Amino acid sequence: AQKITQTQPGMFVQEKEAVTLDCTYDTSDPSYGLFWYKQPSSGEMIFLIYQGSYDQQNATEGRYSLNFQKARKSANLVISASQLGDSAMYFCAMRPLQGAQKLVFGQGTRLTINP
Amino acid sequence: GAVVSQHPSWVICKSGTSVKIECRSLDFQATTMFWYRQFPKQSLMLMATSNEGSKATYEQGVEKDKFLINHASLTLSTLTVTSAHPEDSSFYICSARLAGGGQETQYFGPGTRLLVL
Repeated sequence: AQKITQTQPGMFVQEKEAVTLDCTYDTSDPSYGLFWYKQPSSGEMIFLIYQGSYDQQNATEGRYSLNFQKARKSANLVISASQLGDSAMYFCAMRPLQGAQKLVFGQGTRLTINP
Repeated sequence: GAVVSQHPSWVICKSGTSVKIECRSLDFQATTMFWYRQFPKQSLMLMATSNEGSKATYEQGVEKDKFLINHASLTLSTLTVTSAHPEDSSFYICSARLAGGGQETQYFGPGTRLLVL
């Protein structure tokens, strides 16, 4: 079974600062994918970044980067130079790369960017 | 990124009626779509996996006779909440799987808010 844990229910950060959202996971699958999604108050789920378990380098997408530490089973999201529009819920998710391939989500972290 | 639409975005209905929600992948074909439910301040809970041309696979505890799923084409999946009751009020969100390029990503629709009176 897979499990995603996000231990920060809420985060408050000053605008323009960097922020790290924590995510740890547990799985017995040999290969898997890790995802981060942003959910603003409108409800839509916006895909941010993907990391494969076999990827040698940490994924980056613009201001988003994923700090992947396989031995520690962590996949933290780093947002650089935060903006007011970054305020939202953030979900970490994973799925095996073989088999059922269902996404399992963490509990989410509500990020608030203060001006 | 890929675009997934949902219709309607909002629905209010009386208890006992059935409600159909459509999920469309607009610019790609999706052999697999997923239906999730999200209660306020909670995470997404997978309800079922919808496969084009075959029966949906339901998660444990989800009543397949209450939540009917049809995946009639590579771009359309529908979820019908039959005989809806107030406890079915929730945010329903679909996703479509886009494969290729060495990674596989699920793109989500904007969601449908259902309120059953």
